[in-house]
Amino acid sequence: DQQVKQNSPSLSVQEGRISILNCDYTNSMFDYFLWYKKYPAEGPTFLISISSIKDKNEDGRFTVFLNKSAKHLSLHIVPSQPGDSAVYFCAARAQTGANNLFFGTGTRLTVIP
Amino acid sequence: DAGITQSPRYKITETGRQVTLMCHQTWSHSYMFWYRQDLGHGLRLIYYSAAADITDKGEVPDGYVVSRSKTENFPLTLESATRSQTSVYFCASSESRVGGYTFGSGTRLTVV
Repeated sequence: DQQVKQNSPSLSVQEGRISILNCDYTNSMFDYFLWYKKYPAEGPTFLISISSIKDKNEDGRFTVFLNKSAKHLSLHIVPSQPGDSAVYFCAARAQTGANNLFFGTGTRLTVIP
Repeated sequence: DAGITQSPRYKITETGRQVTLMCHQTWSHSYMFWYRQDLGHGLRLIYYSAAADITDKGEVPDGYVVSRSKTENFPLTLESATRSQTSVYFCASSESRVGGYTFGSGTRLTVV
């Protein structure tokens, strides 16, 4: 069973508008959440993260929100730029065990100029 | 060059052949990982290693073998390739348990 789910395989947004990417998880033992961005023919690159003891983390145009009671997190990109067009993966790490990240299936964001 | 490199970038092999994908990192990171990326599944962990000579299975280990005799290298071997192993394979490393990963550029493997 997929422990980290991204139910929207794709999202299109106009340049300058807000992009909201969503992620749900099932394991309440996850203590750390990350977003990765992936361009074609490249490996994923780290974008932003949040600890389970926080509900918001902001870095420039990117903000991640965590709602532990709903087991839901979201990534907000404001304003969206054409260079943000990529596949975004949500990932989560369990508290115990090795440093294993569980990834979602990804959301392809297209920012329309 | 510093970083994490995977080779080859592209590989076509026949069913039943053995094939090894290479991964090399220059940071001396303790943790290394192999993931495969498939449509509809995202990234799934095949094997991971917490240090040299320490490896363990991930979500989808069947049909794969890893070794880690040196900290900087983490090769992934498909002992007898099958068409279901056609995928994009990513190697990653991490300095510590609390760190995020740095990924290589991937190897696109096609099994015919």
